Amino acid sequence: QKEVEQNSGPLSVPEGAIASLNCTYSDRVSQSFFWYRQYSGKSPELIMSIYSNGDKEDGRFTAQLNKASQYVSLLIRDSQPSDSATYLCAVNRDSSASKIIFGSGTRLSIRP
Amino acid sequence: DAGVIQSPRHEVTEMGQEVTLRCKPISGHDYLFWYRQTMMRGLELLIYFNNNVPIDDSGMPEDRFSAKMPNASFSTLKIQPSEPRDSAVYFCASSSSGRPQETQYFGPGTRLLVL
Repeated sequence: QKEVEQNSGPLSVPEGAIASLNCTYSDRVSQSFFWYRQYSGKSPELIMSIYSNGDKEDGRFTAQLNKASQYVSLLIRDSQPSDSATYLCAVNRDSSASKIIFGSGTRLSIRP
Repeated sequence: DAGVIQSPRHEVTEMGQEVTLRCKPISGHDYLFWYRQTMMRGLELLIYFNNNVPIDDSGMPEDRFSAKMPNASFSTLKIQPSEPRDSAVYFCASSSSGRPQETQYFGPGTRLLVL
């Protein structure tokens, strides 16, 4: 079992709709959770982080965390073509404060 | 701030040659990370440094890979000898602390092709 699992996609969503990206992790002691966006040929950039159960909103982005289910998700409202990218879920375990484990990413395509 | 700087941006070499990748972290950042990204394996942490000292190199694939950080503003990742399976994008990232919440800032990456 991979430590961080994501559906590779591609996930195709019409412009203006809500895109929902999901991620599960295997280590129950994980403390911090991140969503990175990576455009084709570019480097990953952090867009959201979440540390406690529940929802965290930032503009059109909402991260959701459920530690009991070991599940984290990212919702993108009012999807725009510029949101088309690969979204990487990443998890940081408390036993190694600086070590982030990345999922393989979900490719998101917003169709006009 | 210039961000994390990596060089070269592209490298094409032949199997058996030595390859050296370079990274300059963001000024003031105490942590530096080297990652490798491939289609098959995704983004993998190879090694990271704190205050120029290697902390965790468990991701380094084998003895052909080595990394150094001689000072706070420079790090190298060396592959000797290189093999076709080393072809990947190598990213360097830095952060200002080791706290779990700390953002890692990635450089533009070095695309390595070993023929």
